[in-house]
Amino acid sequence: NAGVTQTPKFQVLKTGQSMTLQCAQDMNHNSMYWYRQDPGMGLRLIYYSASEGTTDKGEVPNGYNVSRLNKREFSLRLESAAPSQTSVYFCASRADGGSYGYTFGSGTRLTVV
Amino acid sequence: SQKIEQNSEALNIQEGKTATLTCNYTNYSPAYLQWYRQDPGRGPVFLLLIRENEKEKRKERLKVTFDTTLKQSLFHITASQPADSATYLCALGDTGNNRKLIWGLGTSLAVNP
Repeated sequence: NAGVTQTPKFQVLKTGQSMTLQCAQDMNHNSMYWYRQDPGMGLRLIYYSASEGTTDKGEVPNGYNVSRLNKREFSLRLESAAPSQTSVYFCASRADGGSYGYTFGSGTRLTVV
Repeated sequence: SQKIEQNSEALNIQEGKTATLTCNYTNYSPAYLQWYRQDPGRGPVFLLLIRENEKEKRKERLKVTFDTTLKQSLFHITASQPADSATYLCALGDTGNNRKLIWGLGTSLAVNP
């Protein structure tokens, strides 16, 4: 019963480098989300996907791209990392219907130097 | 703009007492409100969801109230235990666009033995 799995757990990048954060869920959820969490800012939505094949911008999409590879997987890509992207990144998924909360992964702690 | 406020100061209580956490919001009419628990280095864990037409909801030692007139939710943990020590987040959503939850910054709770 894995839930939402994120990789890697930690990453250090140099400014300008690129990387992809991976996320997979095994709960057959249609909706998936990428958040970043920063001290004093709370959780902010980067991108979300309401179903396989669709993606939409959230509150802070600049500097990021996403791919909903299939129903299980939703990846987040940083094309040219900047120090402002130093953060903890969380992937989440949610079952359809109005009675369900989000299931979060354990997060990726990213530092851009 | 829409705003959520949670107790900014950490809450310290004695084991066995009832912890009460507050979530206030402005400039928003949510259809529902969610509470999550977050431990250090981990993703948030969904606890409870309460709808706008529900005054109170319970789950084991947890109780949530939702007053849409006061624009406030109270989250109670009865018979608190040291294992309840964590940060608790509230989040608001609406039926029209519930992909975009609005998150509070969280309140840190410490239960002392």
